[in-house]
Amino acid sequence: QTVVTQEPSLTVSPGGTVTLTCGSSTGAVTSGHYANWFQQKPGQAPRALIYSTSYKHSWTPARFSASLLGGKGALTLSGVQPEDEADYYCLLYYRDAWVFGGGTKLTVL
Amino acid sequence: EVQLVESGGGLVQPGRSLRLSCAASGVTFDAYAMHWVRQVAGKGLEWVSGINWNSGKIDYADSVKGRFTISRDNAKNSLYLQMNSLRAEDTALYYCVKADCGSNSCNFDLWGQGTLVTVSS
Repeated sequence: QTVVTQEPSLTVSPGGTVTLTCGSSTGAVTSGHYANWFQQKPGQAPRALIYSTSYKHSWTPARFSASLLGGKGALTLSGVQPEDEADYYCLLYYRDAWVFGGGTKLTVL
Repeated sequence: EVQLVESGGGLVQPGRSLRLSCAASGVTFDAYAMHWVRQVAGKGLEWVSGINWNSGKIDYADSVKGRFTISRDNAKNSLYLQMNSLRAEDTALYYCVKADCGSNSCNFDLWGQGTLVTVSS
C-alpha cells in the first residue's frame, strides 16, 4: 500500500517562510506524480492551490510556490500571513490511483 | 455560477446501500474527469474513486474496490457513487471534485461542499 508522507504539523511566524514536503513510499516524487496541493480551513471544503507540481491557479496568492525538492514535492510559503493558518494536503498520482498525504497542520504564531 | 453540489448522504445501517449524486453547473461537464474524495471528521482526505470524461477509465481506492461504483451521466451533468455493503469506516463527508487532466498535467480545481454519510446501526 502506497503511503504519502507529510509533516503532521509546522509552526511559522508571521512574515516568515516555511516549506511543507510531500514524500512517497515508492521512491522519489517526480513530475509524473502530478502533485496537487490543497488548503483546508475548519468547516470548509479544500481549496486547490497548486497542480502538476508547480502550477498555480489564478486565485493562488503569489506567496505560495511549489517544486520538487530532494525527491519530494514541496510547497513553500514566503511572507506567511495569519490567514495561511490551515491544513495543507498534497495529492499524488500512481497510475491507477491517487493518494493523499496525511496533511500538515500549519500554525502561524 | 460554477459549482458542484452533492446530495444523497444520510444515515444508513451497516451492510446497506446508498447512492450519492453530484450536480455540476457552470462547467462543461463532459470535458472533465470527476472524482469522489472523502474525509472522516477531524481526519485527512482520502481519494475514493475517479472516472474520466467518457467513462472509459474508472479507478477505485483499494478500500472501496468491489463495493463502490462510480458513474456519470453527461447529458444530466451528473456524477454518481453507488455505495454497497457499507461499513462503519465508510462514515465520512464525501466530496465531488472536478479534475482537468491532460497529457502532462492534472488539476483538481473545483470541489463541492460535500455530503455526509453516516453508517451506524
